[in-house]
Amino acid sequence: QVQLVQSGSELKQPGASVKVSCKASGYTFTNYPMNWVRQAPGQGLEWMGWINTNTGNPTYAQGFTGRFVFSLDTSVSTAYLQISSLKAEDTGVYYCARAPTAVAGTFWFDPWGQGTLVTVSS
Amino acid sequence: SYVLTQPPSVSVAPGKTARITCGGNNIGGKSVHWYQQRPGQAPVLVIYYDSDRPSGIPERFSGSNSGNTATLTISRVEAGDEADYYCQVWDRSSNHYVFGTGTKVTVL
Repeated sequence: QVQLVQSGSELKQPGASVKVSCKASGYTFTNYPMNWVRQAPGQGLEWMGWINTNTGNPTYAQGFTGRFVFSLDTSVSTAYLQISSLKAEDTGVYYCARAPTAVAGTFWFDPWGQGTLVTVSS
Repeated sequence: SYVLTQPPSVSVAPGKTARITCGGNNIGGKSVHWYQQRPGQAPVLVIYYDSDRPSGIPERFSGSNSGNTATLTISRVEAGDEADYYCQVWDRSSNHYVFGTGTKVTVL
């Protein structure tokens, strides 16, 4: 079955970096875009952007430029989210989520990874 | 940017019908998707393209979209339907996907 499995929880100090992985299985990885969504503690869902898994081209939402980087390793069907210069406000659960087509504007998100909790605290 | 407004909470008795609204400017002209997020779990798609159900989602879940309001309807509500529900659309003007503010459904 189609499945996205993310890496485990992370506790980081302010200023450090973190890399979250999202391993896909059950489908052809390069056929479907991968999205990233953040959920701050007790808050709603916030779309961070997506990466074209065929070309590697990323698109970042407003508020997620500069310190956030999406990348791929297609040899192991894995997408990555790297966040640098971590701040306390980056604390939250980060989800990867597959989109059904590569046509921008037509996405819904299914399935989702189980989420990775990133805690930024000194 | 495009704003999607949902009621913070909806309470419903078991066996009754829950209706969750998602308000947005001319949302009827957009495709709306809905997600269920149970406590401590990842979101799950329950409705896409306004009213289509993914495989495995009960027929009790249905959707509609017109004018300035989209609605997710849960019929014959069960205890397991207790969760947060989010609507989602594509905002062409900002080139962003936008989620609603979320609605907590409580089964009495």
